[in-house]
Amino acid sequence: DSGVTQTPKHLITATGQRVTLRCSPRSGDLSVYWYQQSLDQGLQFLIQYYNGEERAKGNILERFSAQQFPDLHSELNLSSLELGDSALYFCASSVSGREGDTQYFGPGTRLTVL
Amino acid sequence: QQPVQSPQAVILREGEDAVINCSSSKALYSVHWYRQKHGEAPVFLMILLKGGEQKGHDKISASFNEKKQQSSLYLTASQLSYSGTYFCGTEAVSSGTYKYIFGTGTRLKVLA
Repeated sequence: DSGVTQTPKHLITATGQRVTLRCSPRSGDLSVYWYQQSLDQGLQFLIQYYNGEERAKGNILERFSAQQFPDLHSELNLSSLELGDSALYFCASSVSGREGDTQYFGPGTRLTVL
Repeated sequence: QQPVQSPQAVILREGEDAVINCSSSKALYSVHWYRQKHGEAPVFLMILLKGGEQKGHDKISASFNEKKQQSSLYLTASQLSYSGTYFCGTEAVSSGTYKYIFGTGTRLKVLA
């Protein structure tokens, strides 16, 4: 158990809908990262937050947005969902979010878009 | 550009050794290694910072050649529990922007 929690564990929805994925980092960690892993694909970095501020952006679609709240939990919002958005979404956290920091991954949210 | 890992897949017998390589086209600050079992979250193995250091614990070690932008993960006397997909995660700064990019992955299967 990494100490990072993600809810929900599974999510099934239809195309065109909007969903919100939630992540709580490990106690004491200030930085949160979001990743997408499609079926049999590698991990794609989406976005990173540090203490409420966006720190780095990866391959995140305009239909997707995220934020980190004052209590440090983070939410990833996915809108106008398409079939291709079906994937495992992981959240990770680290202490400082700086280069060289160890990232601890949550169990993931499996999103299925029908 | 995504770091390339080799081999793409490898099958071992228990007790055999394996080497997994990770090559990047960008100057790297660090390399992280993870193992992921199917349907589960990646589990952190180790991190190597620039400077050409080598690290290891138990029967798993890794090296990082900063000049070649390459890292290698060494698995010795493999165990059944080593089965999974191994990813290298690379940190680089490109055009003043920090990027964290995972490699293409190496599927490793250890047979009894």
